[in-house]
Amino acid sequence: DIQMTQSPSSLSASVGDRVTITCRASQGIRNYLAWYQQRPGEAPKLLIYAASTLESGVPSRFSGSGSGTDFTLTISNLQPEDVATYYCQKYNSPPRSFGQGTKLEIK
Amino acid sequence: EVQLVESGGGLVQPGGSLRISCSASGFSFSSYPMHWVRQAPGKGLEYVSAINTNVYNTYYVDSVKGRFTISRDNSKNTLYLQMSSLRVEDTAVYYCVKDRGNYGDHWGQGTLVTVSS
Repeated sequence: DIQMTQSPSSLSASVGDRVTITCRASQGIRNYLAWYQQRPGEAPKLLIYAASTLESGVPSRFSGSGSGTDFTLTISNLQPEDVATYYCQKYNSPPRSFGQGTKLEIK
Repeated sequence: EVQLVESGGGLVQPGGSLRISCSASGFSFSSYPMHWVRQAPGKGLEYVSAINTNVYNTYYVDSVKGRFTISRDNSKNTLYLQMSSLRVEDTAVYYCVKDRGNYGDHWGQGTLVTVSS
């Protein structure tokens, strides 16, 4: 099975900062990658699909890039409401496994 | 508006059984594959199971194969997960997820299943 590895596991940044989270697949998955945001106490929410397509209603400060094995989620101009855990998920074929998550906090 | 409401969670002893449900509204339920994803307390997301629109194509993660059964009743707009031979490590919040192109575009709020003696 293809393994998804996120880094870092956690990070702390200041309001207004630019934050980057990476996700690496153990084998190529083309662009079959989604990113989710899970705020504390809430269900996950879809942010990005097809590696770089922003879901409707998601603020434009979120962006995704990558293809093959290496992917990036970038949050520009970090806001207090962005405090959450972020997960990547591969969906090219079963199992549609998730990365282990990246917990983002505000300094 | 898409709504997914899970129910049926609770406390069950190891080795026991439980069926959880997900009531869907706001979209054409019969036209979409559906998924179950779980999250153990304080842990990350784990993909559990999926079912296609035709109810015959299903998928299970290895850790639940032979113990869990996913099903759907399109006439009732409801997704089910029958869980048997439950283990302590099955303790988690179980989320019902609507499919869009093999990823999930809408998630329910989850139902907590606790396996403990």
